[in-house]
Amino acid sequence: GENVEQHPSTLSVQEGDSAVIKCTYSDSASNYFPWYKQELGKRPQLIIDIRSNVGEKKDQRIAVTLNKTAKHFSLHITETQPEDSAVYFCAASLGTGTASKLTFGTGTRLQVTL
Amino acid sequence: DARVTQTPRHKVTEMGQEVTMRCQPILGHNTVFWYRQTMMQGLELLAYFRNRAPLDDSGMPKDRFSAEMPDATLATLKIQPSEPRDSAVYFCASGSEAKNIQYFGAGTRLSVL
Repeated sequence: GENVEQHPSTLSVQEGDSAVIKCTYSDSASNYFPWYKQELGKRPQLIIDIRSNVGEKKDQRIAVTLNKTAKHFSLHITETQPEDSAVYFCAASLGTGTASKLTFGTGTRLQVTL
Repeated sequence: DARVTQTPRHKVTEMGQEVTMRCQPILGHNTVFWYRQTMMQGLELLAYFRNRAPLDDSGMPKDRFSAEMPDATLATLKIQPSEPRDSAVYFCASGSEAKNIQYFGAGTRLSVL
């Protein structure tokens, strides 16, 4: 089955700096890669996703890049703010349109310091 | 703002007791997922259903866990008998045929003493 590795497990940045989280996946057939943000005691919430026919996607301060050849994808957060502090999970799926099961990475705890 | 609803939000029980967790997916969503989250194992998929039919329950310990969808508006996850190692947060998520996005409920925090 699919295996997703995520690094780093913890990341501390100063407010205003950029943060990068990296994930690799094992199944070359995976074609959907969402990122979820989970604040302490809350539910995971989708913040951005990318499909295998796209190399990069951006939404304001958040961007995701995908390298299918190397089987890795990354989350980039620019101009970090204290409210970005949370645990971020990457995931991979074989979904082609309908909701399909996700394999999650182990999470990255991001701390944005003032 | 449509949301996945889970009950109870918190459950404390003693080892050996039966635990039932409930999930109401977003109206119109036809796929329901059950995840378990622990510090050690992260987010693990236990089981999922599409159009109320179980598609994959390979992540679920079969001897004590069972998952069902009695109807399109209710999914249940049962543990019988419960054990301390079952202590975790259990999330339900739902998704639709239209796009590959899962929406999570607020979770049930289970503590088995």
